[in-house]
Amino acid sequence: GAGVSQSPSNKVTEKGKDVELRCDPISGHTALYWYRQSLGQGLEFLIYFQGNSAPDKSGLPSDRFSAERTGGSVSTLTIQRTQQEDSAVYLCASSSPRGLAGVNNEQFFGPGTRLTVL
Amino acid sequence: QKEVEQDPGPLSVPEGAIVSLNCTYSNSAFQYFMWYRQYSRKGPELLMYTYSSGNKEDGRFTAQVDKSSKYISLFIRDSQPSDSATYLCAWGYYGNNRLAFGKGNQVVVIP
Repeated sequence: GAGVSQSPSNKVTEKGKDVELRCDPISGHTALYWYRQSLGQGLEFLIYFQGNSAPDKSGLPSDRFSAERTGGSVSTLTIQRTQQEDSAVYLCASSSPRGLAGVNNEQFFGPGTRLTVL
Repeated sequence: QKEVEQDPGPLSVPEGAIVSLNCTYSNSAFQYFMWYRQYSRKGPELLMYTYSSGNKEDGRFTAQVDKSSKYISLFIRDSQPSDSATYLCAWGYYGNNRLAFGKGNQVVVIP
């Protein structure tokens, strides 16, 4: 009965380094989302995967950000050449097509990865 | 104009008080409305959802939607210290799995 898990829980890196953040969604959930949460900024949508469809990448802030989802399950968010403004909590969520009645996107969130770029 | 506006200012109330939180939105396509609660260092969790204008109650929580004014509210009655969290409003519409979130309101209930 595991929920969404994310790793690492905390990541400290130096400016210019690449980082990879991992998300394990709830088993059977076909949709997976990545968000960024900065202090006082709310949840900023980054990317959305739905089944085998092409991902919605419209929220990625720059080409330094990319994400993939392998086998319709685990997802990795990669940030290349990190900048200090990338410091934030990165949240992953998943949802089931059999969610709320008529609403297929009750999103279940993981605990997040707190990224600090020095 | 942002799709969702939520005043993020922290709110401190004494235990037992009524907490009132509000969000406004600009996109008329939004069809359902949610409130998420986020405890410190945790991910958000769904608290309430509704589709229509009017009130929806769940225990001490009431979600109020006014589609004509594009305004939603969350009321917490008899607030408890365990209600101390950040509350995020969110909107979506059928046929699109994206949700638009407000910035969140930090609520502190003082014993």
